[in-house]
Amino acid sequence: GAVVSQHPSWVICKSGTSVKIECRSLDFQATTMFWYRQFPKQSLMLMATSNEGSKATYEQGVEKDKFLINHASLTLSTLTVTSAHPEDSSFYICSAGPKDIQYFGAGTRLSVL
Amino acid sequence: TQLLEQSPQFLSIQEGENLTVYCNSSSVFSSLQWYRQEPGEGPVLLVTVVTGGEVKKLKRLTFQFGDARKDSSLHITAAQPGDTGLYLCAGNNDMRFGAGTRLTVKP
Repeated sequence: GAVVSQHPSWVICKSGTSVKIECRSLDFQATTMFWYRQFPKQSLMLMATSNEGSKATYEQGVEKDKFLINHASLTLSTLTVTSAHPEDSSFYICSAGPKDIQYFGAGTRLSVL
Repeated sequence: TQLLEQSPQFLSIQEGENLTVYCNSSSVFSSLQWYRQEPGEGPVLLVTVVTGGEVKKLKRLTFQFGDARKDSSLHITAAQPGDTGLYLCAGNNDMRFGAGTRLTVKP
């Protein structure tokens, strides 16, 4: 069974609204989780590293005020896409894992109208 | 940052053929992971290699870690349509992936 749960799997929203995506580790505690976005037919692009109890580390070019990350517990990280616009439409995926192994969520497909 | 290069980026073959995809870097890894991603889903871990020269087999998939631990290969024997997907490698705890190899196996 899945060891990392991501919710929702699919969301449609209007331009200007905010969307929250959850990532949960089910069988282990995760002090670090990773957030990615993926455009069609492309690889995963790391957006940020989510750190439990502290600020997330964002990759170069990723707006931290646009993509808010909260990692308030050892089993939950959330990514909020604020004031979403059509160009934010993408497939968002999280990962977490014990030590050197990473397990991925099933992804969230965001469509901004 | 450990830059990973994967090749080829696209590969389309007939069912039953063999293929090899590569993951190369100028950096040394203590471990390297291979994943496969199917459309609309998250990547699934296939294998982790940790020892230089190591060879791991997973049914028709053979993974090899280079002696210098800078590169790895994935060989698929008698490919099947179910092998279709995006194959990704990642090294150590640096979770930045290469561009991946998008494999299509035609029946």
